[in-house]
Order: sequence, then structure tokens, then C-alpha cells
Amino acid sequence: QVQLQESGPGLVKPSQTLSLTCMVSGGSISSGSYSWNWIRQPAGKGLQWIGRIYTSGTTNYNSSLKSRVTLSLDTSKNQFSLRLSSVTAADTAVYYCARVNGNENCFDPWGQGTLVTVSS
Amino acid sequence: QSALTQPPSASGSAGQSVTISCTGTRRDVGAYNYVSWYRQHPGKAPKLMIYEVSKRPSGVPDRFSGSKSGNTASLTVSGLQAEDEADYYCSSFAGSNTLYVFGTGTKVTVL
Repeated sequence: QVQLQESGPGLVKPSQTLSLTCMVSGGSISSGSYSWNWIRQPAGKGLQWIGRIYTSGTTNYNSSLKSRVTLSLDTSKNQFSLRLSSVTAADTAVYYCARVNGNENCFDPWGQGTLVTVSS
Repeated sequence: QSALTQPPSASGSAGQSVTISCTGTRRDVGAYNYVSWYRQHPGKAPKLMIYEVSKRPSGVPDRFSGSKSGNTASLTVSGLQAEDEADYYCSSFAGSNTLYVFGTGTKVTVL
């Protein structure tokens, strides 16, 4: 059973770059027709899809974040990563990683989430 | 790509049913049969409850059912139980630029 676990700094200063990693366990990140996704949720608000990456390296991003987001993937470490540049307080949120089966286009499973606060 | 529209709240007595709507456009909900529903308890990650409009993942009770008509999808929870009190989000594949959009969320209260 595949499990995902986010990790990274919980506090980032304004204008700096937010960096998070999602470790995949219980299965290979390279197996199957899956994409690996990031989603975020500000406190008390709804979910926002950030982007996805395939093991081929192909990426797609939310058009509202595209200029600041970079996703990468390391098959040797069975993990994928998010970088979000020039952060502001509006980027404060719980960040989730999740897998998507390309044939079903649904998010399952999810990581437990990690809170990132942007503050000086 | 705008968020899908859900009612902010819904409620029902234990054992009764509640239905949540999710309204999008002809570019997302109306265009694809890739609507999914997630249940989120406070402080927890969302959990997949319905995918491809009406399919249930293994382990999800048949009290949960989904449907779609035009640009609006719906989730019905029958036989409400205390554990069903949570926030529910719909999501749809949108096909271009921003590939996935989520709903605004509905807080379900079990009376």
C-alpha cells in the first residue's frame, strides 16, 4: 500500500523559496501510469491544485502559480519535490502531496500534509 | 479556472440522507466524467470517497453515491453516521492549463 509523506521547513521568510519533498513508500514512484501532485489548503479555506509531474519529467502547473512553481522528481530516492519562489503571506497553507491515476483522474492516496507559514 | 461551487453547509439527522451539489462549467464538470469527492475531517488529509462521478474505491461504504447531470455533480450520503460529519470537496478534471479544480467545500453536520 503506497504511502506519501511530506517534509520540509515549516517557516519561510517572505520573498524566499519554499521547498518541500514528498517521500513515497510501499511502492516505486516509477511504476504504473501515475502522476505525482501537490495541493495546498490555506487555513479554513478550500483546496488548490498546484501541479503534477510524471516520472518522464513532464510537468503541468496551475496557471495562477506557473511562474513561481517548479516540480522535480528523483526516482533513485523515490521522492518528488516542490519549489515555490517569491513567497508571500498568501502562500501560507497546509501543503499536501498526492498520487493521481491517469485513467481515473482522482487524488489517492494523500500525504498527511505539512503546514508552511510565510512570515519574517 | 474558477473553483467549483458547493453549498457552504448541509445537515441531516443520523440515519437520514444528505445530498451535496457541485456546480462547474462545460469546460470541467460538464466536459469530463472525472468528478471525484473527498471527505476531510478536521486536521486530517482529504480521503477519496467517489471517483469517475459514481465509482466507489475499495473500502468506501455503499452509503456514498455520486451522480452528474450537465455541469452539476452530486454526492449523496445515506444513513448518516457521526463519522460522516466533515468537510466534503468535489474535484473535476479540467483538461487544459489548470488541470484539476476543486469545489469550495461543504461542511456536513450530523444532527
